[in-house]
Amino acid sequence: AQSVTQPDIHITVSEGASLELRCNYSYGATPYLFWYVQSPGQGLQLLLKYFSGDTLVQGIKGFEAEFKRSQSSFNLRKPSVHWSDAAEYFCAVGAPGGANNLFFGTGTRLTVIP
Amino acid sequence: KAGVTQTPRYLIKTRGQQVTLSCSPISGHRSVSWYQQTPGQGLQFLFEYFSETQRNKGNFPGRFSGRQFSNSRSEMNVSTLELGDSALYLCASSLDTANYGYTFGSGTRLTVV
Repeated sequence: AQSVTQPDIHITVSEGASLELRCNYSYGATPYLFWYVQSPGQGLQLLLKYFSGDTLVQGIKGFEAEFKRSQSSFNLRKPSVHWSDAAEYFCAVGAPGGANNLFFGTGTRLTVIP
Repeated sequence: KAGVTQTPRYLIKTRGQQVTLSCSPISGHRSVSWYQQTPGQGLQFLFEYFSETQRNKGNFPGRFSGRQFSNSRSEMNVSTLELGDSALYLCASSLDTANYGYTFGSGTRLTVV
């Protein structure tokens, strides 16, 4: 069965500091991998996705993620955090060629302090 | 282009009632998926509709149902509401099925009292 683990429920960083959000998945093969961001009261916005190929994926808003097959991880990074990055971040997996449904992690809430 | 529109944004219902939520996808998108988001269970897949057919269904009781119209607009219905159905219901549309090219709406916040 597919599962996604985001071990950090809440992370606080200073504005300008670097950020890494962790995501580990359990799946029989290499799934499709996603990071979404959700601001309060809003829907989800796709930051980036990995289907195959280069394991370092660039996304919007200066985010990137690296797929590491050996560690079953897909960690999200940003070199310098802005106050507007404060939000909840969700990692998700989907089955390649499968139905159009995603399995989400429980999310990591990011607080940015000035 | 217009995004995914969900109506209403907020809804308060009484236990035992039924409710219908609406989702208008991005023009040209044929797949509509629904998710339930709660603090306890997180984001869970409800179902996907593509070309007016339910293509996939998550692990929810039969009280949760949906449909899709010929213009790709979708509705989901929850009958005999329970307190635990209080959640943010998110709709996502994509051009096609199985490509995960989701665009999410802002959701409908349902409160059951």
